[in-house]
Amino acid sequence: EVQLVESGGGLVQPGGSLRLSCAASGFTFSSYSMNWVRQAPGKGLQWVSYIIGSSFTVYYADSVRGRFTISRDNAKNSLYLQMNSLRDEDTAVYYCARASGNYQEFDYWGQGTPVTVSS
Amino acid sequence: DIQVTQSPSTLSASVGDRVTITCRASQSIGTWLAWYQQKPGKAPKLLIYRASTLESGVPSRFSGSGSGTEFTLTISSLQPDDFATYYCQQCRTYPWTFGQGTKVEIK
Repeated sequence: EVQLVESGGGLVQPGGSLRLSCAASGFTFSSYSMNWVRQAPGKGLQWVSYIIGSSFTVYYADSVRGRFTISRDNAKNSLYLQMNSLRDEDTAVYYCARASGNYQEFDYWGQGTPVTVSS
Repeated sequence: DIQVTQSPSTLSASVGDRVTITCRASQSIGTWLAWYQQKPGKAPKLLIYRASTLESGVPSRFSGSGSGTEFTLTISSLQPDDFATYYCQQCRTYPWTFGQGTKVEIK
């Protein structure tokens, strides 16, 4: 059974940093691209970042480029999101999501970890 | 960036109703479109990919159609478990973008 479990969320002050983790199991992690998607309170879904299985290719949304860094450790079956220079507008539930090997739809999602940026 | 626009934003319907949600892309995306269902406090769940392919385990009352810039999600007979928010997503190219969501409410 495919499982994705996020951790690392919490309350942080503006300008602070946080590192999110996503532990994967039930599939060959290194064979799949992975994503981070966020959802601000009462709002819709926003794609944040993408990383290919080899880590060779990464993408970011304009709103986080230069502040967030996506990475993965295939030996540990783990995905990470290092978030620096956090802003109020980064407050959201952050989900990790697997991209299918076919049409890049997000076929499995974690339960999400909440991040609150507030003074 | 490819913009994705869903309509309506809210839909009131009764059990047994046929429900249709529309998604429009700002440029042609072929059939690179997915639909998700999200319930309050839960992660989104994939329903349909490649515009019309039903994800394994999803009830057959859900169907998707369309190509290019216009797509629809149809629920043939709304069930109590279907009251939720639905999102479309273009999977054609980075940055991947979602529609703003359609909340299906009980009438």
